[in-house]
Amino acid sequence: KAGVTQTPRYLIKTRGQQVTLSCSPISGHRSVSWYQQTPGQGLQFLFEYFSETQRNKGNFPGRFSGRQFSNSRSEMNVSTLELGDSALYLCASSLVGAGRETQYFGPGTRLLVL
Amino acid sequence: GESVGLHLPTLSVQEGDNSIINCAYSNSASDYFIWYKQESGKGPQFIIDIRSNMDKRQGQRVTVLLNKTVKHLSLQIAATQPGDSAVYFCAEGYSGGYQKVTFGTGTKLQVIP
Repeated sequence: KAGVTQTPRYLIKTRGQQVTLSCSPISGHRSVSWYQQTPGQGLQFLFEYFSETQRNKGNFPGRFSGRQFSNSRSEMNVSTLELGDSALYLCASSLVGAGRETQYFGPGTRLLVL
Repeated sequence: GESVGLHLPTLSVQEGDNSIINCAYSNSASDYFIWYKQESGKGPQFIIDIRSNMDKRQGQRVTVLLNKTVKHLSLQIAATQPGDSAVYFCAEGYSGGYQKVTFGTGTKLQVIP
């Protein structure tokens, strides 16, 4: 069974631009979570989607948004990029997103904002 | 590979020795704890988890210990191998709701051949 895939793997943008990252969960998984990983803040939860609905959200500004499609694939969008948005963005999937389920992570998208 | 942390505490261990990685968690309501391993250029990989009604759980070469009194979690790796070199994260969650796992800052394990 294929793992979680994320595209693109690397991205360079400039301040003020917007970016869209994509995540394809493991087949059969309907919950997708997004995390931001930086050296200073570690891994921080962005949001979680299930059945095209955002069920949970971390403490990030409204510039960070996401969506999920009917096939469970998910995208996240960051508008008006700031230098501090440079990070590794990780997507994780699980069956239904219950509190005790194991999450499986993708390799991440490395975003560099110049 | 990608750097996952530039200012992480580092544990250096001789190959073949046992490793102990420690973690303090913050939320008394957390009842589910997980250890992840992250190698360079990859996303975190699940190693082992433990529920709050347990104080010890063993896997293949790994053991997790949970001390709820002092909110402390540890991961023991037996007979550490070069392939164990990675950043290790503990994470806490709550089984009653939807997934919203909180990760610790991570520890870098370096195995000396």
